[in-house]
This record gives sequence, structure tokens and C-alpha cells, in this order.
Amino acid sequence: NAGVTQTPKFRVLKTGQSMTLLCAQDMNHEYMYWYRQDPGMGLRLIHYSVGEGTTAKGEVPDGYNVSRLKKQNFLLGLESAAPSQTSVYFCASSYRTLYYEQYFGPGTRLTVT
Amino acid sequence: RKEVEQDPGPFNVPEGATVAFNCTYSNSASQSFFWYRQDCRKEPKLLMSVYSSGNEDGRFTAQLNRASQYISLLIRDSKLSDSATYLCVVNIYGGSQGNLIFGKGTKLSVKP
Repeated sequence: NAGVTQTPKFRVLKTGQSMTLLCAQDMNHEYMYWYRQDPGMGLRLIHYSVGEGTTAKGEVPDGYNVSRLKKQNFLLGLESAAPSQTSVYFCASSYRTLYYEQYFGPGTRLTVT
Repeated sequence: RKEVEQDPGPFNVPEGATVAFNCTYSNSASQSFFWYRQDCRKEPKLLMSVYSSGNEDGRFTAQLNRASQYISLLIRDSKLSDSATYLCVVNIYGGSQGNLIFGKGTKLSVKP
């Protein structure tokens, strides 16, 4: 099993450009999450999904959109990138929430200039 | 009060030392608790869950005190490979943040 994979691993964008980050999991997990991690801020939840076709906002959703058309995939979109979105983005999945471990992907390092 | 607070660190300890990390949480509705480990420029990985009665996994011991809303992680006989950032994570049933709150982490550096 590959676990949780993320594409791409690195990306540099110019302000105003758009992009989509792809997260895929092969563990048949119901829940999937997108986080961003910034120095001194810890992990912050952007959006999450509790099942195929459903998404919800997390702590810092502004400037991002998500979709979960298939159970195994969770896409994070930036419609108009800003320098404040320079960060490391982690995707995670879990069988359920609450008592279950979250498995993280290797991260995407995004720089917006 | 922040939802999950950890010792600020960094902790610099010699090999073989015992080190303890503390974490406090603000929401009494918290249901489950974890310690994750994150190596530099890597993703977080589960180190251990924290059970009400406390639990041990080799050199690692986790304790939970619901009354004081406090969890701890004790590492005995520190190894160089224990150098990492340790994240305290709290699950809150019905919370608005997907139920999972991460602390900012405590950095541990084990020196020879």
C-alpha cells in the first residue's frame, strides 16, 4: 500500500496563478483532511471531508476550495494564489475521526512569489 | 487560553537522559489524545495514543489527567534518533475543526 500520496511535492507560483493539489489514499478511509504548516504556527486545518461528496471548512479555509468526488481522492484548489499561501501543505486521512490515527502524506512545499 | 498548549522547548538533552513533555487542553469535551512525532521536513506520524489509565510503549510513557486537562509524554534513555518535534493532538467530538486540534509542538534535540 502506498498510504497517502500527494502531488506535486514542490511548486512555485506567481501571485494570482491557480493550482490544484492532489491527495490520494489507498486505505479506504472515510475521512480526509488538508492542513497547512507554517513556522511557529503548527498544523492548521484548511478543509476536511467526512465522506465522498462532502466537505467542510476548517480553521483557515479562506482562499482555498476542495472537492471529494471519489472516496480515495481529495483535491485542494488555490484559485488566485497569494504570498500568504506560501506554506507546506499536508493531506491526511483516517478511517473515522475521534479515536483513529490520522495518516499523513509527505507534504507539498508551495512558494508564492 | 489556547486549545492545546505545549512546552515551548527546545529541549536539548544528552543521550541516555529522561525527558518529559507536557500538554494542556482547554476543551473538557475532548475525547481522545495522541502524541505524534515529526522529523525535520517530514510528515507527522503517530507515536502513541494516550489512554485514560496511561500507557507505555518501550521507552515511551504517556499519561492523561482528565481532571487537570493535561497529558504528558516521558521518554527514558533518550537516543539520538529521538531528535524530532513532538506534537500533542487532541480530538474533540463535535468540534468545528474536523475534531482534531494540534499543538505547535516541542522540539527535542538529543546530543551525543
